[in-house]
Amino acid sequence: LAKTTQPISMDSYEGQEVNITCSHNNIATNDYITWYQQFPSQGPRFIIQGYKTKVTNEVASLFIPADRKSSTLSLPRVSLSDTAVYYCLVGERDDKIIFGKGTRLHILP
Amino acid sequence: DAGVIQSPRHEVTEMGQEVTLRCKPISGHNSLFWYRQTMMRGLELLIYFNNNVPIDDSGMPEDRFSAKMPNASFSTLKIQPSEPRDSAVYFCASSLRGVHEQYFGPGTRLTVT
Repeated sequence: LAKTTQPISMDSYEGQEVNITCSHNNIATNDYITWYQQFPSQGPRFIIQGYKTKVTNEVASLFIPADRKSSTLSLPRVSLSDTAVYYCLVGERDDKIIFGKGTRLHILP
Repeated sequence: DAGVIQSPRHEVTEMGQEVTLRCKPISGHNSLFWYRQTMMRGLELLIYFNNNVPIDDSGMPEDRFSAKMPNASFSTLKIQPSEPRDSAVYFCASSLRGVHEQYFGPGTRLTVT
């Protein structure tokens, strides 16, 4: 399993774009990169998954450079309701995954 | 789509009692996962099933914990006997497209006194 490193916490303001970067230097060829979001008192929610380059959906964008040793989750124009813990996970589609500590994102008014 | 359903949502029990947590996965999903979350240890994978068969139970803490999946629409996690250190939020999740795209239930908050 590839080890991931992400900031413990981040603060931002409403209306800003937020970028959370995850490092995964030992990512393997068959590994995918997946991000989850967890609000207080709720289970994690799948946000986005990618393998290379850029993936975009209605919630976020995921940027993956050519060497795939890092990835950046981009949240456009955040609101107070985006305050949550964001987890970066790396692994094969059918391999065990491990949730780390995640990044606590706090959006300020 | 009802999502993953867990019951009960809250459980308070005394040490030594048996606790059974229940999960109904999303219809059509073929993988089911049980997690435990605490402030100290974060989110830990306990066990996961694929097509009702346990694939990886290495996260089950000890023999007091057991999980079953008798059919594609139901799973249980049992703790017998329960201990105060088992107090946590227990999540069930299901997936159709591999272990990375999981859909979580609301969780069961277990308190063992």
